[in-house]
Amino acid sequence: AQSVTQPDIHITVSEGASLELRCNYSYGATPYLFWYVQSPGQGLQLLLKYFSGDTLVQGIKGFEAEFKRSQSSFNLRKPSVHWSDAAEYFCAASSWAAGNKLTFGGGTRVLVKP
Amino acid sequence: DSGVTQTPKHLITATGQRVTLRCSPRSGDLSVYWYQQSLDQGLQFLIQYYNGEERAKGNILERFSAQQFPDLHSELNLSSLELGDSALYFCASGQSFGSTEMNTEAFFGQGTRLTVV
Repeated sequence: AQSVTQPDIHITVSEGASLELRCNYSYGATPYLFWYVQSPGQGLQLLLKYFSGDTLVQGIKGFEAEFKRSQSSFNLRKPSVHWSDAAEYFCAASSWAAGNKLTFGGGTRVLVKP
Repeated sequence: DSGVTQTPKHLITATGQRVTLRCSPRSGDLSVYWYQQSLDQGLQFLIQYYNGEERAKGNILERFSAQQFPDLHSELNLSSLELGDSALYFCASGQSFGSTEMNTEAFFGQGTRLTVV
């Protein structure tokens, strides 16, 4: 069965520090991979996506993610966190063959300390 | 603004009742996906429609049903509501006509928050 795992439920980081959120997937083939952010009471905003090619993907708001096939991982990073980055982050996977429906990880809530 | 519109934004209803959630996809998008976000289950795929036809089914209860109309808007019908159905219901759209495998991004609406009391 297809699955996406985010091992960290909560992460607390100081403003200005770096952030890394982990994501592992289990899929029949290399899926399309996504990171979404959800601010309190809001919908889901796409940060970045990986389909193929360069394994380091740049997204919006200064985020980047690296696809590592050997580790079945797609970790999200930001070099310097801002207070506005406090939100919940979801990793997701899909495939064209499966109609592009998304399988989401459980989410990681990020708290930013001043 | 993603271009996906969901109505209503909030809905409070009693157990046993039936509600209809509405989704207008982005212009040109043929696929509509419904997701449920709850505290205990997280974000779960419910059902997908493509150009009016059911394409894929996820963890959707038999009390729930959906349809996509000729104008491509979609409705999610929830009946015999239980307290546990309280959740945020998202609609997403994607796969515009002629889209390729490289154009598979889904755009999410703001969601409908359903509270069953």
